[in-house]
Amino acid sequence: GAGVSQTPSNKVTEKGKYVELRCDPISGHTALYWYRQSLGQGPEFLIYFQGTGAADDSGLPNDRFFAVRPEGSVSTLKIQRTERGDSAVYLCASSLMTTGSGANVLTFGAGSRLTVL
Amino acid sequence: AQSVTQLDSHVSVSEGTPVLLRCNYSSSYSPSLFWYVQHPNKGLQLLLKYTSAATLVKGINGFEAEFKKSETSFHLTKPSAHMSDAAEYFCVVGLRGGSQGNLIFGKGTKLSVKP
Repeated sequence: GAGVSQTPSNKVTEKGKYVELRCDPISGHTALYWYRQSLGQGPEFLIYFQGTGAADDSGLPNDRFFAVRPEGSVSTLKIQRTERGDSAVYLCASSLMTTGSGANVLTFGAGSRLTVL
Repeated sequence: AQSVTQLDSHVSVSEGTPVLLRCNYSSSYSPSLFWYVQHPNKGLQLLLKYTSAATLVKGINGFEAEFKKSETSFHLTKPSAHMSDAAEYFCVVGLRGGSQGNLIFGKGTKLSVKP
């Protein structure tokens, strides 16, 4: 597609429920990233994929969070047993093949706002 | 370790006056630095990036930033603010090496533009 698409744009759930957030990156972008933005904060890195594999998942806060990208395109961020502290905007981004230079330009989606009651 | 500090959480200017958004970074090597802008309910958009070429970087919408190694700063400026510039701005440092996907974002500066 023309941009990075994220669904749903808003999700309200109850504490303890399971949630899936979907990201559809720009066609041809091999690198895909997930960030989390809490209120009043800058985005924080969660995980990134190079192709189908998670190249760096060091930002995932605990084992309730998991992400997949089975065919190297669409990715799903999965959150089990949601807690109120998980409430945030979850941002997805994609880029052309990443390099080690730290100079990758990311294109971000509009985000999925998760509210855990 | 790499980090970035945005010195102002909120900046308010009048339309037509200059904009200065301050950013200081910490890095053990020559960093890649970015400014992103976030309008309400829209995705983050890249304004400009520095990657060890020219120290004065020009971006979109009339914004520019100057990399000053001696001051470890990467302040964002614009000569004349427009109402459409009202948004949140993030200074970002890019990591090298193993964590290629890891960008470190500042906490953001909210820019308000008064008519």
